[in-house]
Amino acid sequence: NAGVTQTPKFQVLKTGQSMTLQCAQDMNHEYMSWYRQDPGMGLRLIHYSVGAGITDQGEVPNGYNVSRSTTEDFPLRLLSAAPSQTSVYFCASSFLQGIGELFFGEGSRLTVL
Amino acid sequence: GENVEQHPSTLSVQEGDSAVIKCTYSDSASNYFPWYKQELGKRPQLIIDIRSNVGEKKDQRIAVTLNKTAKHFSLHITETQPEDSAVYFCAAATGGGNKLTFGTGTQLKVEL
Repeated sequence: NAGVTQTPKFQVLKTGQSMTLQCAQDMNHEYMSWYRQDPGMGLRLIHYSVGAGITDQGEVPNGYNVSRSTTEDFPLRLLSAAPSQTSVYFCASSFLQGIGELFFGEGSRLTVL
Repeated sequence: GENVEQHPSTLSVQEGDSAVIKCTYSDSASNYFPWYKQELGKRPQLIIDIRSNVGEKKDQRIAVTLNKTAKHFSLHITETQPEDSAVYFCAAATGGGNKLTFGTGTQLKVEL
C-alpha cells in the first residue's frame, strides 16, 4: 500500500499560470480532502469529497477547483495562480466520512511568484 | 462556521515533565475531536481522538479530555521525551463530520 500519493512535491509558478496538484490513494477511501498549511494558521480545508462524483467546498475554496471521477483520484486545480496561493498543500483521505483518522500525503510546496 | 482556538502557540518543557495543550470550539454540533502531531517537514499524523459521547480517553502517555458544556478539550502528555517535540494540532468535526476545522497549532519543545 502506497497510502496517499501527492505530486508534484515542489512547484514554482508565475502569477496567472494554471496547474494541477495530483492526489491518489489506494486504500479504497470514500472521503478525500485538500488542505493548505500556512505559518501560524494551521491547516485549512479547501475542498472535500465524500465519493466519486460528489465534491463540496471547505473553508477557503476560492481560486481552486476539484473533481472526483474515481474513488482513487482527487486532483486540485489552480486556474490562475496568485501569490496568496503560495503554501504547502496536503491531500488527505479517510475511510469514514471525515469522522475518522485522516491519512495525509507528504505535501506539495507551491510557490507563486 | 466552526472556529477552533488553540493555546499556547509554543510550549517548552523539561524532559519528564507534563505538557498540556488546550482548545476551544464554537459549534455545539461538533462531535469528533482529533489531535494530530506534525514533525518538522513531515505530514500530520493522528495521535489520539475523542468523540462527543466520551469525556476522557487515554493511550499510554497521551490523554485527551472533553468538556462539552464548556466547549473545550485538552491534550495531556505525561513523562515527555525529546521525540515528543513537534507541532500539535487540535481539530473539531462539523458538517456531519465532513468538515474538519483545525486549530493553529502548538510548537512543543522538550528540552533535555
